[in-house]
Amino acid sequence: DAGVIQSPRHEVTEMGQEVTLRCKPISGHNSLFWYRQTMMRGLELLIYFNNNVPIDDSGMPEDRFSAKMPNASFSTLKIQPSEPRDSAVYFCASRADRREQYFGPGTRLTVT
Amino acid sequence: GENVEQHPSTLSVQEGDSAVIKCTYSDSASNYFPWYKQELGKRPQLIIDIRSNVGEKKDQRIAVTLNKTAKHFSLHITETQPEDSAVYFCAAPEYSGGGADGLTFGKGTHLIIQP
Repeated sequence: DAGVIQSPRHEVTEMGQEVTLRCKPISGHNSLFWYRQTMMRGLELLIYFNNNVPIDDSGMPEDRFSAKMPNASFSTLKIQPSEPRDSAVYFCASRADRREQYFGPGTRLTVT
Repeated sequence: GENVEQHPSTLSVQEGDSAVIKCTYSDSASNYFPWYKQELGKRPQLIIDIRSNVGEKKDQRIAVTLNKTAKHFSLHITETQPEDSAVYFCAAPEYSGGGADGLTFGKGTHLIIQP
């Protein structure tokens, strides 16, 4: 198995632009999680899905952030419009029932 | 929601000595406690986890202990080696009742193994 796949690995964009991060979970995993990591705030849970349904989005920082999971093999995290304070590493993770979470390689986002 | 506190933020030990990292959590309903290791520029990777029906779990040089009454759990690394240098995170589940649970992470401990 290729593990959790994220794209792009690096994204540099200007303030005000729309950013879309993509994630493909491990095949057969039914839960998917989006995290954000910064030096100041550490690893933060943004939103998670179970069987493609959003369960808890209370970690999403603002309305500028949105996430979707149209099917079991794909999820997106969108920021519109982006701001410099959104610069971080964004991780996607997936899990089968009551098993460990496997993290993807992350997307390093820089907003200038 | 769950609140996880982790100490210390930085830990420097001599190679071959033991290292201990401690975490506390707030939600008494939490029953699963993983530890992740993150090397510079890499993704977090699970190194050991424990469920609340046991008080201790060991895997070679790594062990985790859990005290549910006091709501704290600890990571113990014995005979430390240079490759143990990394940032270690503890975590506890954030329950929502929707059939899945995200993790609330501690702020991390930067473990430095001195040669």
